[in-house]
Amino acid sequence: ETGVTQSPTHLIKTRGQQVTLRCSSQSGHNTVSWYQQALGQGPQFIFQYYREEENGRGNFPPRFSGLQFPNYSSELNVNALELDDSALYLCASSLFTSTDTQYFGPGTRLTVL
Amino acid sequence: QQQVKQSPQSLIVQKGGISIINCAYENTAFDYFPWYQQFPGKGPALLIAIRPDVSEKKEGRFTISFNKSAKQFSLHIMDSQPGDSATYFCAASWTSGYSTLTFGKGTMLLVSP
Repeated sequence: ETGVTQSPTHLIKTRGQQVTLRCSSQSGHNTVSWYQQALGQGPQFIFQYYREEENGRGNFPPRFSGLQFPNYSSELNVNALELDDSALYLCASSLFTSTDTQYFGPGTRLTVL
Repeated sequence: QQQVKQSPQSLIVQKGGISIINCAYENTAFDYFPWYQQFPGKGPALLIAIRPDVSEKKEGRFTISFNKSAKQFSLHIMDSQPGDSATYFCAASWTSGYSTLTFGKGTMLLVSP
């Protein structure tokens, strides 16, 4: 059984640029959730994908968007980057029928200059 | 609006001592309460979780105590070890429709040798 993997590990962008982060879900999991974790804070829910459809969204602007692919892997896209977007972005996978337990990847550290 | 409040922000415990972290929630629709452990540079890892139909759950040295009427739950780490030094997050979610975790702000635990 493989765990949740994310790429890249670290990323540096400048304000106004666009970024794409990637996540491979744990084997057998069909649901992917994305979270933003600012320094010294708990993760904040961005959105969730189930069977390639957005299944729920937190309080994040539309410039945060995502995709889920038929193999259940997922992408998080952020347009028009702002300095406050600097954070650790976490992907978590779960079985929709068991929506409680979410397994997190190691995250992508995004720095916006 | 912070739906899950966690305290203390940081905690120093001697090796062999008991570490206690507390959380309070506001939304009575929450029906699943996990605790996550996060080491520097890693994603959160599920430690132990409880549902509101039980008042206590124990797994090894880790115990969750749950008080539904007070809307509070706590994590007790018995015989704390230096390897337990990490940031601990409580979280809450509901398991109908789509499930998203609402996290507390975290407690940085340091177990001194």
